[in-house]
Amino acid sequence: QKEVEQNSGPLSVPEGAIASLNCTYSDRGSQSFFWYRQYSGKSPELIMSIYSNGDKEDGRFTAQLNKASQYVSLLIRDSQPSDSATYLCAVITGGGADGLTFGKGTHLIIQP
Amino acid sequence: EAGVVQSPRYKIIEKKQPVAFWCNPISGHNTLYWYLQNLGQGPELLIRYENEEAVDDSQLPKDRFSAERLKGVDSTLKIQPAELGDSAVYLCASSYSSGEFTGELFFGEGSRLTVL
Repeated sequence: QKEVEQNSGPLSVPEGAIASLNCTYSDRGSQSFFWYRQYSGKSPELIMSIYSNGDKEDGRFTAQLNKASQYVSLLIRDSQPSDSATYLCAVITGGGADGLTFGKGTHLIIQP
Repeated sequence: EAGVVQSPRYKIIEKKQPVAFWCNPISGHNTLYWYLQNLGQGPELLIRYENEEAVDDSQLPKDRFSAERLKGVDSTLKIQPAELGDSAVYLCASSYSSGEFTGELFFGEGSRLTVL
């Protein structure tokens, strides 16, 4: 079974600091990786996608991918209270045949 | 542009009763998904449609769950009879795919089911 693993948290980070969220996956053939943000009581929304090894930056968000280690991370710089949410790591598994597999999510709390 | 619309937002039923959820995807999106999300868990795929065809329903409990997507647009997910363990949020999502699966899904607000 293809798995996506995340630490469920909660991860508590002071306002203005860097929040680091991590994810590992089991399907070595996976090529596409995503971070979705889910506010409490709301539905997930896509915030980042990454397909190649290395870093991808978008504003305060940086996604990092290491396919050799089967590891994906999301860094949030200058964390704001509005970043408090659950962050879901998602991976396309089975070459797309299995669709998108989500991790359990990491609950992030930004402390003012 | 309107997003993915789901109804009802909330539903409370007694066990063994039937329930149905409706989803209208974003206009032009050919792929529609139904996910189940339990508290503290990530979404789990129940069924994926490409146009009218169910291309992945391996995780759909077919003894009590059924789904349809007539005309390749709206979709309905039904549970009959409902069990206590079915209490969860049922998320509908849609995406556009011209062939290769993209992983960029747009979710509706979800339908929260409580079975008593």
